[in-house]
Amino acid sequence: KNEVEQSPQNLTAQEGEFITINCSYSVGISALHWLQQHPGGGIVSLFMLSSGKKKHGRLIATINIQEKHSSLHITASHPRDSAVYICAVRNYGGSQGNLIFGKGTKLSVKP
Amino acid sequence: NAGVTQTPKFRILKIGQSMTLQCTQDMNHNYMYWYRQDPGMGLKLIYYSVGAGITDKGEVPNGYNVSRSTTEDFPLRLELAAPSQTSVYFCASSYALERTGELFFGEGSRLTVL
Repeated sequence: KNEVEQSPQNLTAQEGEFITINCSYSVGISALHWLQQHPGGGIVSLFMLSSGKKKHGRLIATINIQEKHSSLHITASHPRDSAVYICAVRNYGGSQGNLIFGKGTKLSVKP
Repeated sequence: NAGVTQTPKFRILKIGQSMTLQCTQDMNHNYMYWYRQDPGMGLKLIYYSVGAGITDKGEVPNGYNVSRSTTEDFPLRLELAAPSQTSVYFCASSYALERTGELFFGEGSRLTVL
């Protein structure tokens, strides 16, 4: 079983829809990251969370430490949001370098 | 700022050849990382460094070597390339993850070993 599971693996939405991507993990963590990988391959860091909720523009990330679950929400989705969204966790007590990555959720937003 | 720059973007190698992937960052980050991304899989850590002169193995270090002689540069060396090393490689950097949490990635290097 993977230590970080994302769902869904693929998601197609119509422009304007509210989107939710989920991340569940099985280890104790000190932080969780959400990343965005563009169709061209570049990766951008969106959020780091250790508790609660963060918002940036149309993106909202939440985390429930007790349930070992995080969600990434996109409001008023747009075709430019089409990308792969990756969840990664830092294992509590793990080495500085080692994030555990999910396999990603591929989002396609149709106009 | 250029951020994290890695070269080359694409490379084809023959089995047994060697090469170096270059990575440079201009943000004065102490932490630098090399990841590989295989189709349908999550990123895997190859090596990382917490500062000049200090490197450590990640999850999949076999077949690779690194050095960190300066804060800015963190090259990844592939010795005796094998088809299993066909992948997309990403270099990344950050301040200490507890401090800001933000990772900065290079554009990736697609390597094919034939």
